[in-house]
Amino acid sequence: ETGVTQTPRHLVMGMTNKKSLKCEQHLGHNAMYWYKQSAKKPLELMFVYNFKEQTENNSVPSRFSPECPNSSHLFLHLHTLQPEDSALYLCASSPGLEDEQFFGPGTRLTVL
Amino acid sequence: GDSVTQMEGPVTLSEEACLTINCTYTATGYPSLFWYVQYPGEGLQLLLKATKADDKGSNKGFEATYRKETTSFHLEKGSVQVSDSAVYFCARGSWGKFQFGAGTQVVVTP
Repeated sequence: ETGVTQTPRHLVMGMTNKKSLKCEQHLGHNAMYWYKQSAKKPLELMFVYNFKEQTENNSVPSRFSPECPNSSHLFLHLHTLQPEDSALYLCASSPGLEDEQFFGPGTRLTVL
Repeated sequence: GDSVTQMEGPVTLSEEACLTINCTYTATGYPSLFWYVQYPGEGLQLLLKATKADDKGSNKGFEATYRKETTSFHLEKGSVQVSDSAVYFCARGSWGKFQFGAGTQVVVTP
């Protein structure tokens, strides 16, 4: 596979469930990002990782827990979410922090 | 804080019409500027970019010029196609701190 892949593409979960979103980039990039895209709202940056180290947490609630085991993989662990967390979650990567970002197709999350 | 402001949509136009989407940015530092496009059900794709003042980014018939004096990066296309229907995002970025505009939906009718 090439580019940035995300799994699953769609996820429906209850408020008491625990699930994880996975992102993988095949571009040899060093930086990875999680974004939240809600209807009628600007794209929200959630987390930034550079060389596996978290460089930014944009005041994200603790029910979202990121993990970056290596520069190619990024996870977003979800637990006790709220219905307002329903959104499209986008992963992106870039060669470095100053470079353009390449996006995955997103995971459409619905919290019931 | 830093931000990007772009015109609200939806913008509806006929095939072969001219398209302009306005974008202004805060000028803190020396940001790079980008236009991304999002087609239905997909992630964002980089459309074009400019890294310094007076640079012109271009791709697929779209153009945008980095205007420092007006802090603008307007997206233009001379003749749109139905396949250009999408949401367009203007963005500024420096040191991993990207700010995206709210997006402008463009609908092109035959």
